[in-house]
Amino acid sequence: KAGVTQTPRYLIKTRGQQVTLSCSPISGHRSVSWYQQTPGQGLQFLFEYFSETQRNKGNFPGRFSGRQFSNSRSEMNVSTLELGDSALYLCASSEGTEAFFGQGTRLTVV
Amino acid sequence: KQEVTQIPAALSVPEGENLVLNCSFTDSAIYNLQWFRQDPGKGLTSLLLIQSSQREQTSGRLNASLDKSSGRSTLYIAASQPGDSATYLCAVSDSNYQLIWGAGTKLIIKP
Repeated sequence: KAGVTQTPRYLIKTRGQQVTLSCSPISGHRSVSWYQQTPGQGLQFLFEYFSETQRNKGNFPGRFSGRQFSNSRSEMNVSTLELGDSALYLCASSEGTEAFFGQGTRLTVV
Repeated sequence: KQEVTQIPAALSVPEGENLVLNCSFTDSAIYNLQWFRQDPGKGLTSLLLIQSSQREQTSGRLNASLDKSSGRSTLYIAASQPGDSATYLCAVSDSNYQLIWGAGTKLIIKP
């Protein structure tokens, strides 16, 4: 059974640009959550999608958005990138209680 | 508001020792608690999941306990090995399945 797949693994963008990250959950899992991890703030919850609907949302500005497709794959978009958006972005897949994480996308904003 | 604290922030022990990592949370109304391991620059690997109705879970050399009333969980690692070096994170899940994270304990096992 394939695990959670995040693409791309690494990304370098310039301030002001936008970026889209992708997450393919474990087959059969309907919930996908996104997290931002930085050395200073640790792991912070961005949002969660369940069956194509945003079910939970963290405390991030509107520049951070997401969506989920009918096959449960999810994308996260960040517009008007800022230097502070540089982080490891992790997605988690679950169907019930246990969360399984992908390897993350390392985003560097220059 | 749920807050999760992990103590110590860092720990260095010689190989072969048994050790305990601590996780505390302020609101006992949790759905479950998970322990994760993270290697530098990598994603998270789930180690153990304890449902709110359970007291402990074991996997190999790892044992996690949960005491909801006192808001505490411990991760016990027996006979530590250099390969156990990583950051260990605990997270509690509320009824909305949202995970609230501790800051992690960075563990170094010295050969």
